[in-house]
Amino acid sequence: AQKITQTQPGMFVQEKEAVTLDCTYDTSDPSYGLFWYKQPSSGEMIFLIYQGSYDQQNATEGRYSLNFQKARKSANLVISASQLGDSAMYFCAMRDASYNQGGKLIFGQGTELSVKP
Amino acid sequence: EAGVAQSPRYKIIEKRQSVAFWCNPISGHATLYWYQQILGQGPKLLIQFQNNGVVDDSQLPKDRFSAERLKGVDSTLKIQPAKLEDSAVYLCASSLLLGGFTDTQYFGPGTRLTVL
Repeated sequence: AQKITQTQPGMFVQEKEAVTLDCTYDTSDPSYGLFWYKQPSSGEMIFLIYQGSYDQQNATEGRYSLNFQKARKSANLVISASQLGDSAMYFCAMRDASYNQGGKLIFGQGTELSVKP
Repeated sequence: EAGVAQSPRYKIIEKRQSVAFWCNPISGHATLYWYQQILGQGPKLLIQFQNNGVVDDSQLPKDRFSAERLKGVDSTLKIQPAKLEDSAVYLCASSLLLGGFTDTQYFGPGTRLTVL
């Protein structure tokens, strides 16, 4: 069965430093996508970055990069040069290609990131 | 491009009352999803529509929850009667395609429901 594990309930980082948020996943399907979302206290889920299982290179989007280690089944999010506005919950999610699933996202428990000035 | 719209943003009701939430997806997105997010957890899919047909409602408590997507555009989610454990944020999302592992889902601001 699909599963996403985020082992860090909360993280602190100093402003302007880099931080890594951990995510491991489990699926038997060779075709899958991994997503990271940011959820500020306002509640909206904001899409950050996507990595496909067949992508050869790690995904990057501005200050966000995804450290994809397929053999270890990990998809860690790296935020460079943290800003105060990065303080939020971060969710790792996965969907696989199985049609029966309909493409639903499976989410982890989330990591609460706090950026200190 | 306008994002996913949801209303209301907040709702407080007594248990056993009914409530309805509305969602308008991003223009042109064929697939619409309703997720329930209980405090401290990740979102969980309730129902997924492709145009106006249901693709997956296996996690929807059908004795009290119902949803429809008329004309394949906006959607409503209803709870009748509400229970205390229904207190959660209800998130609507949309995506361009059906399924496939590359299709990105975009979320609305959510409706925070409190059942007293």
